[in-house]
Amino acid sequence: EVQLVESGGGLVKPGGSLRLSCAASGFTFSSYSMNWVRQAPGKGLEWVSSISSSSSYIYYADSVKGRFTISRDNAKNSLYLQMNSLRAEDTAVYYCARVVRGSSSPWGQGTLVTVSS
Amino acid sequence: QSALTQPASVSGSPGQSITISCTGTSSDVGGYNYVSWYQQHPGKAPKLMIYEVSNRPSGVSNRFSGSKSGNTASLTISGLQAEDEADYYCSSYTSSSRGVFGGGTKLTVL
Repeated sequence: EVQLVESGGGLVKPGGSLRLSCAASGFTFSSYSMNWVRQAPGKGLEWVSSISSSSSYIYYADSVKGRFTISRDNAKNSLYLQMNSLRAEDTAVYYCARVVRGSSSPWGQGTLVTVSS
Repeated sequence: QSALTQPASVSGSPGQSITISCTGTSSDVGGYNYVSWYQQHPGKAPKLMIYEVSNRPSGVSNRFSGSKSGNTASLTISGLQAEDEADYYCSSYTSSSRGVFGGGTKLTVL
């Protein structure tokens, strides 16, 4: 069964840092691009970042560029999102998702990041 | 990258059909056949319902169908059922290689 499990969320003060992880299983992780997508409380989905299978291509939303860094370790079947200089508006559930034929599937269960003093 | 435009809400009675539109530009929806649709129930992760404009993943009911004309994509749900009540999001590949989602549509089954 294809499965993605996020971890690393929590409460952090404005200006702080957090590192999210996404553990993949049930498929050949190294063959797929991966996405991070977030959803603020009561709001819609927002694409955050993408990384290609070999990390050759990386893209960020303007809202996080320069503050967030996506990375992956294919040997560990893991995806990461390093989040620095966090702001209140970064408060959201963060999902990782596998990229398949231009779409995201499946999605993990999400991890909640709360930025508050 | 601006979000794709979806109606905030749609509704229909059981057994009826509804259509949700998703309007973008020639740099996203209109330029590529990588439009996808997601269903999200409250408190749950999104689920892929349609990929590449009109393809259904294995296990998704054939009551769900997708299409595209110009810069507007559409999701149609036929034979509405109570379990279809959820939020629906469209998404598209873009010319900047970044992703973009629609604002979401809340479907109410009356």
